[in-house]
Amino acid sequence: EVQLLESGGGLVQPGGSLRLSCAASGFIFSSYAMSWVRQAPGKGLEWVSGITGSGGDTYYADSVKGRFTISRDNSKNTLYLQMNSLRAEDTAVYYCAKDQVVLVPEIMDVWGTGTPVTVSS
Amino acid sequence: EIVLTQSPGTLSLSPGESATLSCRASQSVRSRYLAWYQQKPGQAPRLLIYGASSRATGIPDRFSGSGSGTDFTLTISRLEPEDFAVYYCQPYGSSLPLTFGGGSKVEIK
Repeated sequence: EVQLLESGGGLVQPGGSLRLSCAASGFIFSSYAMSWVRQAPGKGLEWVSGITGSGGDTYYADSVKGRFTISRDNSKNTLYLQMNSLRAEDTAVYYCAKDQVVLVPEIMDVWGTGTPVTVSS
Repeated sequence: EIVLTQSPGTLSLSPGESATLSCRASQSVRSRYLAWYQQKPGQAPRLLIYGASSRATGIPDRFSGSGSGTDFTLTISRLEPEDFAVYYCQPYGSSLPLTFGGGSKVEIK
């Protein structure tokens, strides 16, 4: 069974940092692009960042560019999101999502259950 | 970046009725590269449709997608109790970032 399990969320002060992880199982991890998508309380979906299967190319939303870094360890079947200089508007549930293809993120066909991030003093 | 407008914002229907949801893009979507997702309260989104009209694995045939260019539609025929949820459209196949529409909520009347 294909599964994604996020961890690492929590409460952090403005300006702080947090690293999210997403453990993947049930598929050949390196064969698929991966993304992080977030959802602020009561709001819609916002794509945050994506990475190719090899990890060689990364992509970001303008709202997080320069503050967040996506990476993956294909030997550990794990996706990461390093979040620095966090702001109140980064408060959201963060979902890890598997793509249907190996290259540029396109169609997210499997999603994790999400990990909540709260940025507040 | 493609901006998507979904309508209606909320649709109130009874089980057994049909729902028609619209997704309009600010510019033409390449090769009908549009996906639809369903999200129930407290749950992660689930892929329903990709390529504008292809159902994802395990999606029942009461869900159908259509459209091209800038106008796309998700139709849910014979609404089941588990279909009451929020639906999002998302184009792909052009430059990133990926974007989502604002969502359409189908609620029980």
